[in-house]
Amino acid sequence: ETGVTQSPTHLIKTRGQQVTLRCSSQSGHNTVSWYQQALGQGPQFIFQYYREEENGRGNFPPRFSGLQFPNYSSELNVNALELDDSALYLCASSRGRQGSYYEQYFGPGTRLTVT
Amino acid sequence: KNEVEQSPQNLTAQEGEFITINCSYSVGISALHWLQQHPGGGIVSLFMLSSGKKKHGRLIATINIQEKHSSLHITASHPRDSAVYICAVTNSNTGKLIFGQGTTLQVKP
Repeated sequence: ETGVTQSPTHLIKTRGQQVTLRCSSQSGHNTVSWYQQALGQGPQFIFQYYREEENGRGNFPPRFSGLQFPNYSSELNVNALELDDSALYLCASSRGRQGSYYEQYFGPGTRLTVT
Repeated sequence: KNEVEQSPQNLTAQEGEFITINCSYSVGISALHWLQQHPGGGIVSLFMLSSGKKKHGRLIATINIQEKHSSLHITASHPRDSAVYICAVTNSNTGKLIFGQGTTLQVKP
């Protein structure tokens, strides 16, 4: 059983650019959640995808968008990057929707730096 | 006030010491998670519990639903235990995972 993987590991972008982060969920998992973790803070929920549809969203602007594919892998897209978007982006997969009693398995994260 | 509060924020211990990290929450939950994060690294789930107590090796997690409080204990601490420990709860109304700010633990040899 493979774990959750994310790519790239690190990324440096310029303000105003767009970025796409990728997450491959653990085998057998149909739900992917994305989190943003600023330095020294706990993760903040961005959104969740369950069976290719968005299933809940945190307090993030529309320039944060996502996709989930039939194989349950997922992308996080951020447009018009701002300096405050610099953070560790984590994805987590699970067998069921958030709120159900299923453990979330986290990926290693993508460190995004916006200059 | 944060919905999930951890204490202490920072903790330094000597190798071999018994360590306790506390977590209090103010919302109804369906589960509580203890997570470990190494510097620059991703998150590893240590425990998920909704009642009672769980043990895995030198780690013990307890939860008191009535008091809305959980503790993570590390027995015979080791420098490799140095990490950030994060408490997170699944809100039973919204289904969202809410994280505490984390406790930074340093175990010195």
